[in-house]
Amino acid sequence: LAKTTQPISMDSYEGQEVNITCSHNNIATNDYITWYQQFPSQGPRFIIQGYKTKVTNEVASLFIPADRKSSTLSLPRVSLSDTAVYYCLVESSGGYQKVTFGTGTKLQVIP
Amino acid sequence: GAGVSQSPRYKVAKRGQDVALRCDPISGHVSLFWYQQALGQGPEFLTYFQNEAQLDKSGLPSDRFFAERPEGSVSTLKIQRTQQEDSAVYLCASRATEANEKLFFGSGTQLSVL
Repeated sequence: LAKTTQPISMDSYEGQEVNITCSHNNIATNDYITWYQQFPSQGPRFIIQGYKTKVTNEVASLFIPADRKSSTLSLPRVSLSDTAVYYCLVESSGGYQKVTFGTGTKLQVIP
Repeated sequence: GAGVSQSPRYKVAKRGQDVALRCDPISGHVSLFWYQQALGQGPEFLTYFQNEAQLDKSGLPSDRFFAERPEGSVSTLKIQRTQQEDSAVYLCASRATEANEKLFFGSGTQLSVL
């Protein structure tokens, strides 16, 4: 399993773009990068998943450089409701593998 | 169902009591995971089912923890002789297959052991 490292916390003002970077130096060839969001008193919720380059959906963008040793989750124009914990995961596409979460990045959006 | 449902939402137990936590995954989902989440921490893996087969129980912290999914749908996590250190939120998640598709989580059961 590739270990992930991400900042413990970040603060941002409303309306700004937020970028959260995750390091996964020993990512394997068949591994994907997945991000989840968790609000207090709720289970984590899937945000986005990618393998390489850039993926965009209605919520966020995910940037993955060519060496895939890191990835950046980009949240455009955050609002107070984006205050949450964001988890970066590395998952294998080759059948079952334990899905592990780290401690995540606690994003606090300030008015 | 529309999502993953867990019950009860809150459970208070006296130390030494047995508890049973229920998870109703999304209908037809093959994979089911249980996690334990302490306050301020990320979810910690407990166990994994593929249909009715428990393929990975490496995260269960002791033999007081037992999980089952007898018909490949509803799952129950049982904790015997609860201890204060068992106090946490227990999360259940399901996914359609065993591959790296998105996980759908329930809201969890908050267990408090007094």
